[in-house]
Amino acid sequence: ETGVTQTPRHLVMGMTNKKSLKCEQHLGHNAMYWYKQSAKKPLELMFVYSLEERVENNSVPSRFSPECPNSSHLFLHLHTLQPEDSALYLCASSQAWDRRFVGYTFGSGTRLTVV
Amino acid sequence: RKEVEQDPGPFNVPEGATVAFNCTYSNSASQSFFWYRQDCRKEPKLLMSVYSSGNEDGRFTAQLNRASQYISLLIRDSKLSDSATYLCVVRGGSYIPTFGRGTSLIVHP
Repeated sequence: ETGVTQTPRHLVMGMTNKKSLKCEQHLGHNAMYWYKQSAKKPLELMFVYSLEERVENNSVPSRFSPECPNSSHLFLHLHTLQPEDSALYLCASSQAWDRRFVGYTFGSGTRLTVV
Repeated sequence: RKEVEQDPGPFNVPEGATVAFNCTYSNSASQSFFWYRQDCRKEPKLLMSVYSSGNEDGRFTAQLNRASQYISLLIRDSKLSDSATYLCVVRGGSYIPTFGRGTSLIVHP
């Protein structure tokens, strides 16, 4: 496989459930990201990992918990979500996070619905 | 003033037309700029970076105006396949990227 792969593509979960989103990149990039895209809103950066260390947590509620076990994998653990958390969750990677950044490669996203 | 602003459109143009979008940004210290394209229910894909001197890639031309704090994207000879939402991305010194809401383009026969 090439590029950035996200699973699952679609997820419906109840407010009391626990689920995880998975992202894998095959590009040899050093930085990975979670973004949230809601209808009529710009993409919102949630988390940034550079070389497996979290460098940015953009004031995200604790019901979202990221995990980056290595530079190729990124998870987003979800628990006790709210209906307003329903959105498209996009994973992205880039060669670097700092001034050497030249653009993201996004995964196809997980469309999450909280019921 | 929002950090990054785009006219949401939609811009409705016939095939073959030339269309231009602008994106304004509020942080004068912004350092890098990009245009992304997002098709309906798909992920954003990098269209082009925007360089200080302006740059062109086929039918697409991107320009940066630091004095007025905006970037632009010009599409010549529009194709039906150009229909999409065009997102502008601005990065400042902190490296935090800010996305615009996007401009919707519809190219009709």
